[in-house]
Amino acid sequence: QSALTQPASVSGSPGQSITISCTGTNSDSGSYNVVSWYQQHPGKVPKLIIFDGGKRPSGVSNRFSGSKSGNTASLTISGLQTEDEADYYCCSFVGSGAWVFGGGTKLTVL
Amino acid sequence: QVQHLQSGAEVKKPGASVKISCKASGYTFSIYAIQWVRQAPGQRLEWMGWIHAGNGNTKVSQKFQGRVTITRDTAATIAYMEMTNLRSEDTAEYYCAREHDTLSGYAFDYWGQGTPVTVSS
Repeated sequence: QSALTQPASVSGSPGQSITISCTGTNSDSGSYNVVSWYQQHPGKVPKLIIFDGGKRPSGVSNRFSGSKSGNTASLTISGLQTEDEADYYCCSFVGSGAWVFGGGTKLTVL
Repeated sequence: QVQHLQSGAEVKKPGASVKISCKASGYTFSIYAIQWVRQAPGQRLEWMGWIHAGNGNTKVSQKFQGRVTITRDTAATIAYMEMTNLRSEDTAEYYCAREHDTLSGYAFDYWGQGTPVTVSS
């Protein structure tokens, strides 16, 4: 299973909004319908920020939102803050008991 | 509170094996799956496989089949990931995390602190 495709890097200024895309390589029905997103600061453990496509775990800021259109999932961060600077990974359950992660996106807050 | 406490750092020679443990606490272990994910230095997260803590069913990524075995001790609420025939490319941080299809929406909601494994001659 190939990795999901994410942009290597995105950047934005404080207060702005950015969107990170996550595209699957297959178009078979049912795949990439269950997408989660993780934030990872340097040297830290990944943290779940979006699950089931667009739900937020308790305690995660509502500045983080997730959506899906066709074979592409997206993570939007609104009102960028300096502490949002991190790596972001999408992950999808692809059926048959398997998961796949994206290549990761480095977010720089200018 | 939900916690996953992983075993400590390992340094191994090529061809050796490593077994990492993941002690779960703060929740009903038997209704969740324990997933294993690794991250080589500067690289992306990579899914390795899982075990259902209750029924013991497992699934290992095709990439690791034949080299990775995932087991669990339900009484002790510990999951294990063993990798054999280690190579330098297996140098990475190894994480466990819990997952449930409906309770966590197939997501990995609580992670262990990671176990660094270094493979070097």
